[in-house]
Amino acid sequence: DIQMTQSPSSLSASVGDRVTITCRASQSISSYLNWYQQKPGKAPKLLIFAASSLQSGVPSRFSGSGSGTDFTLTISSLQPEDFATYYCQQSYSTIFTFGPGTKVDIK
Amino acid sequence: QVQLQQWGAGLLKPSETLSLTCAVYGGSFSGYYWSWIRQPPGKGLEWIGEINHSGSTNYNPSLKSRVTISVDTSKNQFSLKLSSVTAADTAVYYCARGIAAAGTDYYYMDVWGKGTTVTVSS
Repeated sequence: DIQMTQSPSSLSASVGDRVTITCRASQSISSYLNWYQQKPGKAPKLLIFAASSLQSGVPSRFSGSGSGTDFTLTISSLQPEDFATYYCQQSYSTIFTFGPGTKVDIK
Repeated sequence: QVQLQQWGAGLLKPSETLSLTCAVYGGSFSGYYWSWIRQPPGKGLEWIGEINHSGSTNYNPSLKSRVTISVDTSKNQFSLKLSSVTAADTAVYYCARGIAAAGTDYYYMDVWGKGTTVTVSS
């Protein structure tokens, strides 16, 4: 299986901050990388697919980049509603795997 | 707008079979893959498996021996069965729609059910 790691595992930030989360795959996955946001007690929500494509309806302050093994999710200006846990997920292999998550909370 | 509504037994005893169903409303059932994902309390997401409208399945090898995903196209529903459950199967179970971006094979899960909490306890 392709293993996904994320860093940091958690971070504290303030409203307006620029936040970057990193995801790394155990082997090259081209651009087969998705990002999801999950709030407590809720289902995950798709933010970014194919490494850098913004899902319809998702604010433009979210962006994704990377290819191969290293990827980033950037929130350009953190908003109160962005405090959540973020997961990356690879779809290069037909055995889909998620990263362990990065929790973003209020500083 | 597509919505997924899921249901099933929430409390099981060890060795019983978990059974969940997810219904698709407001959209096409064909042309997509339909997945199950679970999340143990306080932990991350684990993909269980998927099925398409014609019944073609793909399972996570770590659960494959105990998992069956089936589809009922007449009702636009798909179901999960997980046999011989233990406390380690306690989790919130989600159903989700899988889709490939137009003209590509970049696959992602864009619509999710609200989740069903399943607890395994004697």
